[in-house]
Amino acid sequence: KQEVTQIPAALSVPEGENLVLNCSFTDSAIYNLQWFRQDPGKGLTSLLLIQSSQREQTSGRLNASLDKSSGRSTLYIAASQPGDSATYLCAVYIVDAGNMLTFGGGTRLMVKP
Amino acid sequence: DAGVTQSPTHLIKTRGQHVTLRCSPISGHKSVSWYQQVLGQGPQFIFQYYEKEERGRGNFPDRFSARQFPNYSSELNVNALLLGDSALYLCASSFTLKPYNQPQHFGDGTRLSIL
Repeated sequence: KQEVTQIPAALSVPEGENLVLNCSFTDSAIYNLQWFRQDPGKGLTSLLLIQSSQREQTSGRLNASLDKSSGRSTLYIAASQPGDSATYLCAVYIVDAGNMLTFGGGTRLMVKP
Repeated sequence: DAGVTQSPTHLIKTRGQHVTLRCSPISGHKSVSWYQQVLGQGPQFIFQYYEKEERGRGNFPDRFSARQFPNYSSELNVNALLLGDSALYLCASSFTLKPYNQPQHFGDGTRLSIL
């Protein structure tokens, strides 16, 4: 059974700092890995999608990498801003009980001004 | 263009009652998936529907059921509500059955509270 773990569970940094969020998964048979942002009480906003054949994706200040063989992904946020404060979730797309996303527990990020 | 819309946004029920949650996918999207997110945890897969047929079911009891209509909107039904059903219920839509190279689009969810 696929399991996804995110470390740390919570992170507090001063504005302007570069930071790395970690995601690990137990089964390398994935189709893609996605990073989402979730603001309190809201749904999920897709940030980056890395297909299984890719190594990384970039969007603005965000860069996500994927090492399928070791079951790891990282989300790098450059020059963090208070508006980046949110929960960040990683999820792997697998075919198991259905065509489904398996999520980690998330990292709650707070960027202090 | 409208995104994924879910209704109602909030709902309060008591134990033993029944609830129906609704989801309208992005126009043209034929796949709808339902997820349950308990406070402080990541979402868990409940169902996927594509072209009005169930194409996947997660590890949830038979009290949970769903259906998809000809316009691709969907309903999630939960019977005999338990306190543990309190959660944010999220709906996601995609154009294809297997969106391997496309991000899934999520609604803002329905917050269900069981008293």
